[in-house]
Amino acid sequence: DAMVIQNPRYQVTQFGKPVTLSCSQTLNHNVMYWYQQKSSQAPKLLFHYYDKDFNNEADTPDNFQSRRPNTSFCFLDIRSPGLGDAAMYLCATSRDNRADTQYFGPGTRLTVL
Amino acid sequence: GQNIDQPTEMTATEGAIVQINCTYQTSGFNGLFWYQQHAGEAPTFLSYNVLDGLEEKGRFSSFLSRSKGYSYLLLKELQMKDSASYLCAGEDNTDKLIFGTGTRLQVFP
Repeated sequence: DAMVIQNPRYQVTQFGKPVTLSCSQTLNHNVMYWYQQKSSQAPKLLFHYYDKDFNNEADTPDNFQSRRPNTSFCFLDIRSPGLGDAAMYLCATSRDNRADTQYFGPGTRLTVL
Repeated sequence: GQNIDQPTEMTATEGAIVQINCTYQTSGFNGLFWYQQHAGEAPTFLSYNVLDGLEEKGRFSSFLSRSKGYSYLLLKELQMKDSASYLCAGEDNTDKLIFGTGTRLQVFP
């Protein structure tokens, strides 16, 4: 089945220790998104790629970086995680930008000790 | 500013009908999405409205009024598995989804 896969599902890291979350898709979609969702809050868009074009949200902290080496894979790097970065990180894809349904992966729950 | 408003929590009984309302203000407007999110899981797509009116899909229907900046999700014949959060999301003129905080629906037997 075509899908969006995120690894790991649960990640524990220490304060200040870099961590990388991964997302892959078999949908061959052009657009890939990273969202941060804290408990009982709305998903917050961090950035997205349209193909290789990177689009950073203005309020995304510099601590968060992303890489998309090819169509199928996208990575979220958190350079120095703080306690406030503990959240669910959701990867989503869509065929195109406009009016296209976003398909979400299962998410990675990040805990920062 | 951009804003999506929806009730925080709702309760209903198995077999009943429930309507979850959403009002939106976005910079431009391309359409309105509804997603279902079970606790600890990713959102899953339910519906998309771009034109005024009601879209029916099985037990779930979604309505949009562009002039009023208003949408609702209607769930019929509620089942216990419908207990989840329901996220309203407006697409703005930069093609970005602006999510509400979600309405947590609890279905009781």
